[in-house]
Amino acid sequence: GEDVEQSLFLSVREGDSSVINCTYTDSSSTYLYWYKQEPGAGLQLLTYIFSNMDMKQDQRLTVLLNKKDKHLSLRIADTQTGDSAIYFCAELNYGGSQGNLIFGKGTKLSVKP
Amino acid sequence: NAGVTQTPKFQVLKTGQSMTLQCAQDMNHEYMSWYRQDPGMGLRLIHYSVGAGITDQGEVPNGYNVSRSTTEDFPLRLLSAAPSQTSVYFCASSYSQASRWGYTFGSGTRLTVV
Repeated sequence: GEDVEQSLFLSVREGDSSVINCTYTDSSSTYLYWYKQEPGAGLQLLTYIFSNMDMKQDQRLTVLLNKKDKHLSLRIADTQTGDSAIYFCAELNYGGSQGNLIFGKGTKLSVKP
Repeated sequence: NAGVTQTPKFQVLKTGQSMTLQCAQDMNHEYMSWYRQDPGMGLRLIHYSVGAGITDQGEVPNGYNVSRSTTEDFPLRLLSAAPSQTSVYFCASSYSQASRWGYTFGSGTRLTVV
């Protein structure tokens, strides 16, 4: 079945780069997503990558996809205190969940001044 | 556009009570779904709908009912609340089930069952 794994916590200093990692198991995934959840709020789509791409860059965000290892990463350059949040990796596939998004448990990013 | 609107934002129920969590979207999205978020568990799919009149179960459907009589609304019903249903509930919608744009989420309903 599908499974999305993430480390639960990451702490960085302001101005450093953050790298949040995710692994997934379903090779039929079509799109992979990164969502951000700030305290008390819903999930906000940050970026997505199609499964036939290796990299996608959007301002301070860089997404890397290693299909062979089923590994996805999100790099945030020049991390700011406003980036403190929980980051969810999610995969979309047509497998056992009938095409719904499957989420990881989320990585809590703490940015220290 | 308001996007996805969930009401209420907070609710406290007694065990055995029933209630309906409301979800409405004004983006003409065909696909809508309900997730629950629990500490250390991430988001788990409860029910989903690919269009008016069509619903299906997700990963954790027990104790919840849904219906989709209009494109805009997708209410979630708890028939007899249990403490295990204490959670934060999120409604999400999308143009289609497999939209490349992912889902748009509401701001959530925080439910406590005592």
